[in-house]
Amino acid sequence: DVKVTQSSRYLVKRTGEKVFLECVQDMDHENMFWYRQDPGLGLRLIYFSYDVKMKEKGDIPEGYSVSREKKERFSLILESASTNQTSMYLCASSSQGEGTEAFFGQGTRLTVV
Amino acid sequence: GQQVMQIPQYQHVQEGEDFTTYCNSSTTLSNIQWYKQRPGGHPVFLIQLVKSGEVKKQKRLTFQFGEAKKNSSLHITATQTTDVGTYFCAAYDMEYGNKLVFGAGTILRVKS
Repeated sequence: DVKVTQSSRYLVKRTGEKVFLECVQDMDHENMFWYRQDPGLGLRLIYFSYDVKMKEKGDIPEGYSVSREKKERFSLILESASTNQTSMYLCASSSQGEGTEAFFGQGTRLTVV
Repeated sequence: GQQVMQIPQYQHVQEGEDFTTYCNSSTTLSNIQWYKQRPGGHPVFLIQLVKSGEVKKQKRLTFQFGEAKKNSSLHITATQTTDVGTYFCAAYDMEYGNKLVFGAGTILRVKS
């Protein structure tokens, strides 16, 4: 059974903290994505990666960075968490080539207080 | 970058009624995907359409891709309570082939 695993289901962090959200996939996928989901706004792409050490900005990268040191792992970093980064964060992966389906993790509900 | 617009944002139907959600892009899409997210869950892939004018069916769900490949729709016939959730369309950006962008989603609620 294919799997995308996010390290935490729920997180509460303080304003100004550095936050790491981890995502691991076991499908040997080249592409990995980080989205945030907010009511009425759907899934907005933060960053994506198509290979190890490669990263591309999505539509809302401000305040975030990412790391992909290994093919199976894609980390989202909030350098200095702010309350407007309170959201559901979803990681996804897909194989190389256009039009391949994406598999999602269970999501991390991050609350910044 | 490429964007996909989805309407309506929300629909509440009586069980047994039909439901349709629409997805539109200002640019030609190479393909369109549809996902379903159950309440409390994560998005799960339903189907992909690639050809102009393509129509695919999955039981009570009918998916269409427009002739110009700029729009798509998902139609559910005779909704059931198990259909509740959020339906998203998604497409890979033509310029950045590995960039997958989603519409805002349509939330479906079904009254029994």
